[in-house]
Amino acid sequence: DQQVKQNSPSLSVQEGRISILNCDYTNSMFDYFLWYKKYPAEGPTFLISISSIKDKNEDGRFTVFLNKSAKHLSLHIVPSQPGDSAVYFCAAGSSGNTPLVFGKGTRLSVIA
Amino acid sequence: DTEVTQTPKHLVMGMTNKKSLKCEQHMGHRAMYWYKQKAKKPPELMFVYSYEKLSINESVPSRFSPECPNSSLLNLHLHALQPEDSALYLCASRHQEGPPNYGYTFGSGTRLTVV
Repeated sequence: DQQVKQNSPSLSVQEGRISILNCDYTNSMFDYFLWYKKYPAEGPTFLISISSIKDKNEDGRFTVFLNKSAKHLSLHIVPSQPGDSAVYFCAAGSSGNTPLVFGKGTRLSVIA
Repeated sequence: DTEVTQTPKHLVMGMTNKKSLKCEQHMGHRAMYWYKQKAKKPPELMFVYSYEKLSINESVPSRFSPECPNSSLLNLHLHALQPEDSALYLCASRHQEGPPNYGYTFGSGTRLTVV
């Protein structure tokens, strides 16, 4: 049973436009959420995170929105750049030693 | 130093070989993790070490044997692997204490091919 779901396996966006990547979760015990970016044959690179006490966190071109009642979060990238093309993983965790739970990832392609 | 360093970056081994993957961090993180990632799949947890003690083993076959000799090092010993074990092996670490969304850092991985 998937606790973290990324229902879109891929997304194509024109350069300069907004990319919106979505993630849903089922476990109400999760209290923090992270987005990782991954290039082929490399480890995931931390992008941005949000604690469950917030509904928005912004870092430059990246903004993560959290809707706790809907158990939904999204990553907005604006403006999108060709270098943003990668696989984006949503991950969720809860306080303590519990490891992160990952979604299956969304492959973003930003077209010049 | 804010990195998790994994060696080697690439490894090709036969099914009868014994090899080890190494992971090192000097950020004072006391939780360390081994993940396995196949192509087009999310990272899959294998082992968790907390304060140098194995705290989670996700029913991983015994041909994978983890070891945490000290708080900075994590090894994964490999023996009698199968071709389906070919994958990207990722090490990660994080602070045991404090805000849980900080300090969760991945290494760049070891690309393992079993022939």
